[in-house]
Amino acid sequence: QKEVEQNSGPLSVPEGAIASLNCTYSDRGSQSFFWYRQYSGKSPELIMSIYSNGDKEDGRFTAQLNKASQYVSLLIRDSQPSDSATYLCTWGSQGNLIFGKGTKLSVK
Amino acid sequence: DADVTQTPRNRITKTGKRIMLECSQTKGHDRMYWYRQDPGLGLRLIYYSFDVKDINKGEISDGYSVSRQAQAKFSLSLESAIPNQTALYFCATSDPLAAAYEQYFGPGTRLTVT
Repeated sequence: QKEVEQNSGPLSVPEGAIASLNCTYSDRGSQSFFWYRQYSGKSPELIMSIYSNGDKEDGRFTAQLNKASQYVSLLIRDSQPSDSATYLCTWGSQGNLIFGKGTKLSVK
Repeated sequence: DADVTQTPRNRITKTGKRIMLECSQTKGHDRMYWYRQDPGLGLRLIYYSFDVKDINKGEISDGYSVSRQAQAKFSLSLESAIPNQTALYFCATSDPLAAAYEQYFGPGTRLTVT
């Protein structure tokens, strides 16, 4: 069974802190990993994609991938109240995406 | 204008009724998808289409059917709606020639079956 495991949270961080979101996946062969952000009642929005081991930075967001450990994470620096949302970890398999259930982040 | 549109945005219907949800896109993407989202269950794939002539069942296709009328249009039908089909439904698209797995979502349709 292809799966993505995420801590459902809620994860609560103070404004200005670093939020760390983590995810593990089941298929060692997967090459494509993504983070989506979803505000309550809205559609998922792609915020980060990562395809190779290591870190990828985009503004306040950093995605980290470790294929050997089947682990992907998202760091949000200088967290803002507007970052409060559910973050969906997902990876690509046979043309489709396998979604985790999401981690709810609250920034106060 | 939005790249991926869904109609209707909200719908309340009764058990046993047939209902169609429509998705249109102007992104020029070949691949289109239908998902449903339920609290605590995440996004689940209902059907997907890699081109007009290629339609495939997803994880939870029972009780649903689809039609790909054109590259830009992909419709989801509930032949006989039941209350446990109450959910938020999303359409998504992707471009296999650019980034095959990057999917872009429509605004969603909130469906309630009473």
